[in-house]
Amino acid sequence: GAGVSQSPSNKVTEKGKDVELRCDPISGHTALYWYRQSLGQGLEFLIYFQGNSAPDKSGLPSDRFSAERTGGSVSTLTIQRTQQEDSAVYLCASRSSTGTNSPLHFGNGTRLTVT
Amino acid sequence: AQSVTQPDIHITVSEGASLELRCNYSYGATPYLFWYVQSPGQGLQLLLKYFSGDTLVQGIKGFEAEFKRSQSSFNLRKPSVHWSDAAEYFCAVGAGNTDKLIFGTGTRLQVFP
Repeated sequence: GAGVSQSPSNKVTEKGKDVELRCDPISGHTALYWYRQSLGQGLEFLIYFQGNSAPDKSGLPSDRFSAERTGGSVSTLTIQRTQQEDSAVYLCASRSSTGTNSPLHFGNGTRLTVT
Repeated sequence: AQSVTQPDIHITVSEGASLELRCNYSYGATPYLFWYVQSPGQGLQLLLKYFSGDTLVQGIKGFEAEFKRSQSSFNLRKPSVHWSDAAEYFCAVGAGNTDKLIFGTGTRLQVFP
C-alpha cells in the first residue's frame, strides 16, 4: 500500500515568508509525528498527534511553528516568518497504534531552504 | 525524559570488516529501543527493535543489537559489512508511558572497498 507522503519535496523560500508543509500518513494510522533533521543535529522531535487527543507540542522550537491535523488524517506544519536557521529536512512519520512497540513509517521529507 | 547518545559521528570501515555502532540511552524504566537506517536519498527504515525478552535482537540486512541494562546501551553490530551498508544510522528510545520517540544525532557509516 501507499506509504507516508510529504509535499512539496523541496521548498525554497525567502526569509520572513510563511511556509506550509503537508503530510499524508498511511491510511488508518492514528499516530502522526513531525521531526526536523538538520546537519549534525539528528532527528529533532517537533510535535505528535494521536487520535483526538491534544497534540504533544513539546518539541516545537518557537511560536512561529504550528501544526494541525484535520479529520485525523492529513497534517500541515506551518512555519511563520521563516528564518535561515529553519532550513532543514522536515520529516513526517505515522504509526498504526498507540504504544511504542509499533514502528514509525517515515515519509521522504520536505527539504526547506530559507534564503 | 528519555534521551539518546550516539558518541560516534562518523565511522569508516573496510568492506568485509565487522561493525559496532554505539548507542547509550537514558530512561528511568525499561525502554523501547530502535535502530533506523537512512540511506542516501531515501527515507528512514527500521532495522530492528527491542521491547522485552531476549536481549539480543536480530534485524534486517544481517544486523543485530544487544540491550545491556547495566550499561544503558543498545549497540548495533554486523559481522561483515557490505558496501551497500554505507548510510546514516539512528538509535531511538521510546518510553512505555508515552508515544514520543527520541532519536540520537546519528552515526554516518562509510565503507571502503
